[in-house]
Amino acid sequence: ETGVTQTPRHLVMGMTNKKSLKCEQHLGHNAMYWYKQSAKKPLELMFVYSLEERVENNSVPSRFSPECPNSSHLFLHLHTLQPEDSALYLCASSQEDTQYFGPGTRLTVL
Amino acid sequence: AQKITQTQPGMFVQEKEAVTLDCTYDTSDQSYGLFWYKQPSSGEMIFLIYQGSYDEQNATEGRYSLNFQKARKSANLVISASQLGDSAMYFCAMRRWDTGRRALTFGSGTRLQVQP
Repeated sequence: ETGVTQTPRHLVMGMTNKKSLKCEQHLGHNAMYWYKQSAKKPLELMFVYSLEERVENNSVPSRFSPECPNSSHLFLHLHTLQPEDSALYLCASSQEDTQYFGPGTRLTVL
Repeated sequence: AQKITQTQPGMFVQEKEAVTLDCTYDTSDQSYGLFWYKQPSSGEMIFLIYQGSYDEQNATEGRYSLNFQKARKSANLVISASQLGDSAMYFCAMRRWDTGRRALTFGSGTRLQVQP
């Protein structure tokens, strides 16, 4: 595998479920990001991890919980989500400047 | 605060013609970077081109070039010889350098449709 991979690609969940999104980067980068892309809205940054330490948290509700166990893996744990959380969730990684994105997980909350 | 404005929600271009996608930005920073990404219907954001605020020459990457006019705060993407595979959403983004923040600020995007 090369680049940035995300699993699952599609996820449907109820408001009471708990699920996790996974991101893996094979580029040797030292920073990873979660972005949210809702319909008709610009991409919004959610979290930034640099060297496995969370360095930015863009006022995201606590029902989203990130985890970065090492520099290659990033998770987004989801619980008690709302229908308005339905969106495309994109993971990215970078070394210094350019961010490279994964294919995204399209999440639908029923 | 930074802001990216893309005023063209949608654009049409004939195959093999050139097209310019507009991007203006608002920042009080002296040091920043500008990026363009392509998002096909599959969803993946594909990096196209980068321009640093102190770069004296406009960036080019194959058929992509960035028309950077610092005084006007514009960073338009020019795609030459359009191909059917260029049909996608295109996003302009900016990153500040001075604070160490790594976040990108994105515009609302332009949907480009290349017609045969």
